[in-house]
Amino acid sequence: EDKVVQSPLSLVVHEGDTVTLNCSYEVTNFRSLLWYKQEKKAPTFLFMLTSSGIEKKSGRLSSILDKKELFSILNITATQTGDSAVYLCAVPTGTASKLTFGTGTRLQVTL
Amino acid sequence: KAGVTQTPRYLIKTRGQQVTLSCSPISGHRSVSWYQQTPGQGLQFLFEYFSETQRNKGNFPGRFSGRQFSNSRSEMNVSTLELGDSALYLCASSTRPGLSYNEQFFGPGTRLTVL
Repeated sequence: EDKVVQSPLSLVVHEGDTVTLNCSYEVTNFRSLLWYKQEKKAPTFLFMLTSSGIEKKSGRLSSILDKKELFSILNITATQTGDSAVYLCAVPTGTASKLTFGTGTRLQVTL
Repeated sequence: KAGVTQTPRYLIKTRGQQVTLSCSPISGHRSVSWYQQTPGQGLQFLFEYFSETQRNKGNFPGRFSGRQFSNSRSEMNVSTLELGDSALYLCASSTRPGLSYNEQFFGPGTRLTVL
């Protein structure tokens, strides 16, 4: 059975801290891994990773994939209160439109 | 370009009733997927439609069904509602399904409460 596991489940940090969120997966026919940010309702797309060892970066957020060890990390540097959200990791299983999600990491950034 | 829209945004029903939720994808998108999100189980795939055909189905009972219309709009129906069906139902659209990933854009969701 395809499985995506995220850790930690929740995290509270102070503004300015750096955080690392983890996602491990066990899926047949791996093609890609995706990160989403969910603040209120609709998850919004952050990154798609397909190749091992290549970092994707967007501002203070970055992510990398290790296909040998079957995991990905999402780093957020200099966190801000606006980064408070649930961060979801997902892997397409079956067709590309069927995503298997992890349970998410709830990040709270305090002043 | 307008995003994915879902109606209604909130719904309260009682056990045993049935409910229909609607999703309008982004213009030009022909693939629609539905997900159920609960605090205990997280986001779980319900089904996917493309060209009015169900292409994939998750592990949900037959009480959950869906359809897609020729204009790509999709509806999902839940019959004989149970308390455990209380959840946020999210719809996502993409250009088309396929083996390579097509970015899915999520709608705001419909919050269903079953009393």
